[in-house]
Order: sequence, then C-alpha cells, then structure tokens
Amino acid sequence: QQQVKQSPQSLIVQKGGIPIINCAYENTAFDYFPWYQQFPGKGPALLIAIRPDVSEKKEGRFTISFNKSAKQFSLHIMDSQPGDSATYFCAARIGSGGGADGLTFGKGTHLIIQP
Amino acid sequence: EPEVTQTPSHQVTQMGQEVILRCVPISNHLYFYWYRQILGQKVEFLVSFYNNEISEKSEIFDDQFSVERPDGSNFTLKIRSTKLEDSAMYFCASSARRGPYEQYFGPGTRLTVT
Repeated sequence: QQQVKQSPQSLIVQKGGIPIINCAYENTAFDYFPWYQQFPGKGPALLIAIRPDVSEKKEGRFTISFNKSAKQFSLHIMDSQPGDSATYFCAARIGSGGGADGLTFGKGTHLIIQP
Repeated sequence: EPEVTQTPSHQVTQMGQEVILRCVPISNHLYFYWYRQILGQKVEFLVSFYNNEISEKSEIFDDQFSVERPDGSNFTLKIRSTKLEDSAMYFCASSARRGPYEQYFGPGTRLTVT
C-alpha cells in the first residue's frame, strides 16, 4: 500500500531521444508526487513535482504525466543530453491534513544518455 | 541559492559507537527530515521533525535513533550504538511549508560502520 513501483530499473537512450520513466502506486491517500535526480555521491535534487489535480506539468525539458484513474505517473525528458545521465527517483507523499510527512521513494532508474 | 548542508561528508565508526550526524537546513524552513540510502538502494524515510518534536517516524527509526534541534540552525541525527547495517548515506532534508510541498535534500553523510 505504501509502495511506489518504478520502472525500468535502467535505461539507455541516444542523445536527443525521449526517455520515459514510469511509476505506479496503490494508495489513493498520496497527494504529492515529486521526481528527484541523483548524481553519484550527491543528494537527490528536486526536479519537478505534481499534485493529483492536474494531468501534466512541464518545466523546461522535463514533463510529468499523471493518470489519477490508473494511479500512474511518468517522467519524460525531452531532447535528452549526456548531462542528464543520472539516477531518477519518483516519490510520493501521503496527505494527512498537514503533518510533516515523509516521502516514499521508488527504487530508482539508472539513465544513461549516449552521445 | 540557499541549500541544505551536512557534516561530516564521511564518517567511519566502529560497531557499538555513537555517532552524531549534523545538518543545517535552509534558513527559513520549518520542517526537517532524515532519510537514508543503503548503497545501490532506494532512499528511505526515517523521521520528520517540526516545532521541536518528531512528527512522523518510520519503522527503521527505532530506539537507537534520536533527533534534535539543539539551536536555531542545526538539526542532528544520533545513532546510539551503531550496527554494521547502519552503514548508508544519510540525507537531511527541509521544507518551508506544511503539506505537499518541496523537500530539499542535502549532499549526505556517508556512514561506514566497521
């Protein structure tokens, strides 16, 4: 119930391609869905986030698509570059009326963009 | 741009020893978190903290762990008697507002228990 399932585990895309990373969840109490980018030896960096009242959000080359009925959301990276090579984590937060709630993370996707 | 900082970057300790990991959250943030990431695995929530008390904790956060905000800027995680399985990256995070808002992570402390 608390899990966020992320796929694929790893992904290789040519430069300029559009990698797509998918996440699915069961718990309808989740109310906030961020994506984080992590480079080796670094902390997760917030990339983009969405709430379930919208179906899509774009920030620069990054787009989240959200399907509330299917309980799925995905990250698309447009015009991917070798510098986008990193591990990407989806996450979710349970809305509980205002508490400082922890994020539940997916297992991560190791993305490689080949030049 | 304000950022979360953590010290030390790497801590090596012997099993059974106490360690304190330190974090300085972003200055106007009110909500603080600790997460850990065992090598090659996902990030796991440990504890959240607001108004000088724990708001939420996970199953991982047992009696060996404690958190404290000793002054207006620092936020600490103490592990009383470290075990080999405590070896991980520990990340501090902070957020400005209550509810579904952004959490910003620090660079982490790599804890190695020998």
